[in-house]
Amino acid sequence: NAGVTQTPKFQVLKTGQSMTLQCAQDMNHEYMSWYRQDPGMGLRLIHYSVGAGITDQGEVPNGYNVSRSTTEDFPLRLLSAAPSQTSVYFCASRTGQGFTSPLHFGNGTRLTVT
Amino acid sequence: SQQGEEDPQALSIQEGENATMNCSYKTSINNLQWYRQNSGRGLVHLILIRSNEREKHSGRLRVTLDTSKKSSSLLITASRAADTASYFCATDARSNTGKLIFGQGTTLQVKP
Repeated sequence: NAGVTQTPKFQVLKTGQSMTLQCAQDMNHEYMSWYRQDPGMGLRLIHYSVGAGITDQGEVPNGYNVSRSTTEDFPLRLLSAAPSQTSVYFCASRTGQGFTSPLHFGNGTRLTVT
Repeated sequence: SQQGEEDPQALSIQEGENATMNCSYKTSINNLQWYRQNSGRGLVHLILIRSNEREKHSGRLRVTLDTSKKSSSLLITASRAADTASYFCATDARSNTGKLIFGQGTTLQVKP
């Protein structure tokens, strides 16, 4: 099993550009989520999904869109990148049974917006 | 706002010493988890403690939970240089939406 795979690992965007961060998991996990990590801020939840076709907002959803058409994939879209979105983005998944399971993390995408 | 607040923000100890990190949270929870993050990598799950548990052990890790004070602590005994990492607590709210909210983390440096 590859676990949680994020692509790309690094990305530089200009302000106003759009892009999609990809996340795929091969563990048949119902729950998937996106976090951003900034220095001194810990991890903040952007969006999450409890199953295919279901998404919901986290703590900092503005400027980001998600969709969940399959169990495996949970892409994060930046519609119009801003310098404030410079961050490290982590995708994570877990089984949905009772929400007592640990999160499995990808290795992150480091995004710089100039 | 974030659910968890961790203390201290940074901790530096010698190899062989114990390291204690604390986490406080705001709302009622189903469970609390601790994660470790090595530099430049994703987080790795360490241990989960349920709201009806008071203490849990895993190898050199000991976690306590005090739901009356809305706080938890992570103790790493006989620390090693390889324990150098950032440590985060995360909580599953009692509302059971599935969201896992993280604290700001404690950066631990273990000097050889």
